[in-house]
Amino acid sequence: GEDVEQSLFLSVREGDSSVINCTYTDSSSTYLYWYKQEPGAGLQLLTYIFSNMDMKQDQRLTVLLNKKDKHLSLRIADTQTGDSAIYFCAEDATGNQFYFGTGTSLTVIP
Amino acid sequence: DVKVTQSSRYLVKRTGEKVFLECVQDMDHENMFWYRQDPGLGLRLIYFSYDVKMKEKGDIPEGYSVSREKKERFSLILESASTNQTSMYLCASSEEFHYGYTFGSGTRLTVV
Repeated sequence: GEDVEQSLFLSVREGDSSVINCTYTDSSSTYLYWYKQEPGAGLQLLTYIFSNMDMKQDQRLTVLLNKKDKHLSLRIADTQTGDSAIYFCAEDATGNQFYFGTGTSLTVIP
Repeated sequence: DVKVTQSSRYLVKRTGEKVFLECVQDMDHENMFWYRQDPGLGLRLIYFSYDVKMKEKGDIPEGYSVSREKKERFSLILESASTNQTSMYLCASSEEFHYGYTFGSGTRLTVV
C-alpha cells in the first residue's frame, strides 16, 4: 500500500488554532481528504481538496496542499473541545482505493 | 443522508469460531469496503466490492473472506477467528470513488 504519514498526537488549548499535517506518496492522486473520527464512531468526511488547488477554506477549516512536497495540512481555527477527535488524511491513489494515514489524535485542553 | 449500518457495535468471539460481520447501506451505492483500524496503523483495507458478486482483495485479505449477494449488503467473514484479528472493523460505501466514503459506526471485535 501507499504510505500516508501523520503525527500521532496533538494537544492545543481551547481557542487556539490547530494544524494537523500529512504527507502522502502518490502524486497522481486526484483528491485528498480529511476525515474526523469521534470516540466510538466511524469516520466522517470533513472536507476534501482537488489536486489542482492550493487551498480550500470551509468555515473554521482551511486545507493547504503543497503538491510539490506532497504535503497536506488541515488548520482548525478557534479550536473547541468538540473538535477533540482523531483526524485522518486520505488520498485516492491509483487502483480505485483510498489510502488513509495513521490518524492524528487531537486533544483540546479547556 | 446515506446510512451505513453495521449489525453489531461489540462482539466477543472465541478462537477458531467462524465470525460474520454484516454491513448494509441504503443509498444504492456500487462500491463497498471493509477496513480494520488498529492504533498507530490507521485504516487498512481488507476487501472491497464494485458490484454484486464482485470482490477485490485489499492490502490485508489473509484470514478473511467476503460476500456480496445483494447490492446493499457486504459481509466480512472470519473463517477461523484468531486473537490477532481483535480490532475495530469499519465498513464504508461510496457512489463514485472520488466522492469520498460514508462509514458505518464500526464493530469492535475481541477474539479470546
